[in-house]
Amino acid sequence: GAGVSQSPRYKVAKRGQDVALRCDPISGHVSLFWYQQALGQGPEFLTYFQNEAQLDKSGLPSDRFFAERPEGSVSTLKIQRTQQEDSAVYLCASSLTDRGGSPLHFGNGTRLTVT
Amino acid sequence: AQTVTQSQPEMSVQEAETVTLSCTYDTSESNYYLFWYKQPPSRQMILVIRQEAYKQQNATENRFSVNFQKAAKSFSLKISDSQLGDTAMYFCAFMKQPMDSNYQLIWGAGTKLIIKP
Repeated sequence: GAGVSQSPRYKVAKRGQDVALRCDPISGHVSLFWYQQALGQGPEFLTYFQNEAQLDKSGLPSDRFFAERPEGSVSTLKIQRTQQEDSAVYLCASSLTDRGGSPLHFGNGTRLTVT
Repeated sequence: AQTVTQSQPEMSVQEAETVTLSCTYDTSESNYYLFWYKQPPSRQMILVIRQEAYKQQNATENRFSVNFQKAAKSFSLKISDSQLGDTAMYFCAFMKQPMDSNYQLIWGAGTKLIIKP
């Protein structure tokens, strides 16, 4: 596709439910990132993939958060037993190479609201 | 640890005016990258401009330019001839030279820029 696509655009979950957020990066992009953006704040790093390998997951806030990219393209961020503090916009970004400074291309994000 | 500070929560200027957004950062690294991103209401982060720390020349992209002061750890964004479409949140971000697959972007809290007609 022309850009990074994320779905769903909005998700409302009841506390305790599991959710899955999808990211479809730009075709051929090696690197994929997930960020969490709370209301009125800058994004916070969650995890990074180089192709199918998850090289950095140091930003995942708890073991309820899990991300995968099994074939090195589409990625899914899963949150188990959602809590109210998980409410945020989840941004996905991809870049062509794994070189530092390579521009990131972002999707429109998924706004998760946990009630 | 690296930090990025944007001290202006909100700014407002008239269309066609010039506006400068400030950003300071703290790092002990010597090689790194600095970015300005724009986030309109659509939520998509759009890269505005990028600066590599080893380059002394300030980056420019059309109406957007930066004033990079490495010693002062300052990285301000100047928008000339501002347009209504520039209305958005602007985020300053830092990335150290990646090692051990560390490609984290460290973000400031953002500045809300409003361009008035």
